[in-house]
Amino acid sequence: QLVLTQSPSASASLGASVRLTCTLNSGHSSYAIAWHQQQPEKGPRYLMKLNSDGSHSKGDGIPDRFSVSSSGAERYLTISSLQSDDEADYYCQTWDTGIWVFGGGTKLTVL
Amino acid sequence: EVQLVQSGAEVKKPGESLKISCKGSGYSFTTYWIGWVRQMPGKGLESMGIIYPGDSDTRYSPSFQGQVTISADKSISTAYLQWSSLKASDTAMYYCARQSVYCSGGSCYSAHIDYWGQGTLVTVSS
Repeated sequence: QLVLTQSPSASASLGASVRLTCTLNSGHSSYAIAWHQQQPEKGPRYLMKLNSDGSHSKGDGIPDRFSVSSSGAERYLTISSLQSDDEADYYCQTWDTGIWVFGGGTKLTVL
Repeated sequence: EVQLVQSGAEVKKPGESLKISCKGSGYSFTTYWIGWVRQMPGKGLESMGIIYPGDSDTRYSPSFQGQVTISADKSISTAYLQWSSLKASDTAMYYCARQSVYCSGGSCYSAHIDYWGQGTLVTVSS
């Protein structure tokens, strides 16, 4: 069974950087994932796709402050120069034949 | 420009039926999987199921099998999510989303979600 695990919360100061982690379960460490942002009271928005080798692609209009990387079964989203509107829920998502899987989401607070 | 436009908010009573829609535009509707995602109040995203409008191949997540019906009308580029008998626990925001495709070495594969609808709020209350 394909499972994604995220920490429930994270926080960082305005202007700082933060790294969010999404972990694939055993046997699925080669899977690609995508990161999605959901700002308060809004729908989700696709940010970036990340492969296990670190190659990636961005959604339309996503600023360079957002970057991704991989290490083993872990997939990271790093947001630099944090702004107030980066405060949001961040979900990782993966897929297999006929299924979509979401992580539980990380609530990012910008202090 | 790719767009997924969902139908408006609904308020229903328990036991009533409902069908909500998601109209795709700006791309070839029949060649991308479309899925439905539930978000209960204050909770995370849950995949309900996906459909390939080209041939109506439909896959349901185990938790939603038998609880909802996903369909599509490719002639009007629209996917649907329907309930035959709503429960209070169906109260949630529902999003449709498109699954992207990438092609390599002459073959094409489904990949990540790349576009989302704006959401449809369904409220079920007596």
